[in-house]
Amino acid sequence: KQEVTQIPAALSVPEGENLVLNCSFTDSAIYNLQWFRQDPGKGLTSLLLIQSSQREQTSGRLNASLDKSSGRSTLYIAASQPGDSATYLCAVVILTGGGNKLTFGTGTQLKVEL
Amino acid sequence: NAGVTQTPKFQVLKTGQSMTLQCAQDMNHEYMSWYRQDPGMGLRLIHYSVGAGITDQGEVPNGYNVSRSTTEDFPLRLLSAAPSQTSVYFCASSYLAGRLYEQFFGPGTRLTVL
Repeated sequence: KQEVTQIPAALSVPEGENLVLNCSFTDSAIYNLQWFRQDPGKGLTSLLLIQSSQREQTSGRLNASLDKSSGRSTLYIAASQPGDSATYLCAVVILTGGGNKLTFGTGTQLKVEL
Repeated sequence: NAGVTQTPKFQVLKTGQSMTLQCAQDMNHEYMSWYRQDPGMGLRLIHYSVGAGITDQGEVPNGYNVSRSTTEDFPLRLLSAAPSQTSVYFCASSYLAGRLYEQFFGPGTRLTVL
């Protein structure tokens, strides 16, 4: 059974700091990996999606990397801002006969302080 | 496009009551799914569908029914609500083939069962 772990569970940093969020998974037979952001009381917003054949994806101040063989992904946030405060979730996608299934980590709660 | 929409946003039920959570998408996605999100447990897959008329169980299907009569709609039914079903419910959709299987989520329904 695929298990996805995110460390740390919570993180507090001062504004402007660069930071890294970690995601690890136990089964390397994934199709892709997706990073989401969730604001309190809200739904999930897709940030980045990395195919299993890719090493990284970038969007603005966000950079996600994937090392499939070691079962790890990182989300790098450059020059953090208070507006980045949210919970960040990673999810791995596995293809089955019944379609594509996501297995989620429990998230990292980020707080960026002024 | 409205994306993925869910109704209601909030609901309070008494034990034993039944209700239907609505989910609709206007992106012509074949794949739709329901997740529940509980503190400390992440998002878990309840049921999913790979197209109209085709549904299957996910990780935590007990107590829930689904049907998929159209591509756009994927309602989730609670037949006899229990306090253990208190949770936040998210509907998601994606293409089944191609497009990297990126999943899009609705805003969620917050359900309390007393």
